[in-house]
Amino acid sequence: KAGVTQTPRYLIKTRGQQVTLSCSPISGHRSVSWYQQTPGQGLQFLFEYFSETQRNKGNFPGRFSGRQFSNSRSEMNVSTLELGDSALYLCASSPWVRETQYFGPGTRLLVL
Amino acid sequence: SQQGEEDPQALSIQEGENATMNCSYKTSINNLQWYRQNSGRGLVHLILIRSNEREKHSGRLRVTLDTSKKSSSLLIMASRAADTASYFCATILAQGGSEKLVFGKGTKLTVNP
Repeated sequence: KAGVTQTPRYLIKTRGQQVTLSCSPISGHRSVSWYQQTPGQGLQFLFEYFSETQRNKGNFPGRFSGRQFSNSRSEMNVSTLELGDSALYLCASSPWVRETQYFGPGTRLLVL
Repeated sequence: SQQGEEDPQALSIQEGENATMNCSYKTSINNLQWYRQNSGRGLVHLILIRSNEREKHSGRLRVTLDTSKKSSSLLIMASRAADTASYFCATILAQGGSEKLVFGKGTKLTVNP
């Protein structure tokens, strides 16, 4: 099976812009989770989608949003970018959130 | 708040030696997972141990779980330079009607050839 893919792999934006990141899960996986990784805060859970519904949400401001499509592909959007949003954004898929997460390579976002 | 905390934060060993890293967590769990991350890349799942298991093996890896102490350890036997990576434990945290997979800050392992 093909692994989790994320696009784009690298992105440079300026403060105030918005960005959309995409994630294609492993075929058959219905759960997609997003994480933000920074040197200071480590890996932090953003949200999880299952069958097009947001099931769980982390402690991030409303500027961070996401959605899942009927084919389980997911997008996350960050509006009004801040310098502190510079991070590696990781997507993971699994049959169910309590089980093994399969991670994509990540999208590295730099906000200038 | 951090659910899992790895110890030590960094570990440097010689090839062929064993590496042990520990994870402590705060709340009751269904399972505990260990992941590896090579520099700046996605995480790779290593092993999942359920709350009713005490020990689990996978190749050169051995994971133990002590639910009474809320701790787990990951042992990498006969380490190789390719094992150089950061290792994270992760558990499910239920909070405010939501569940999330929470990672510790990780142990950075360097295996010197």
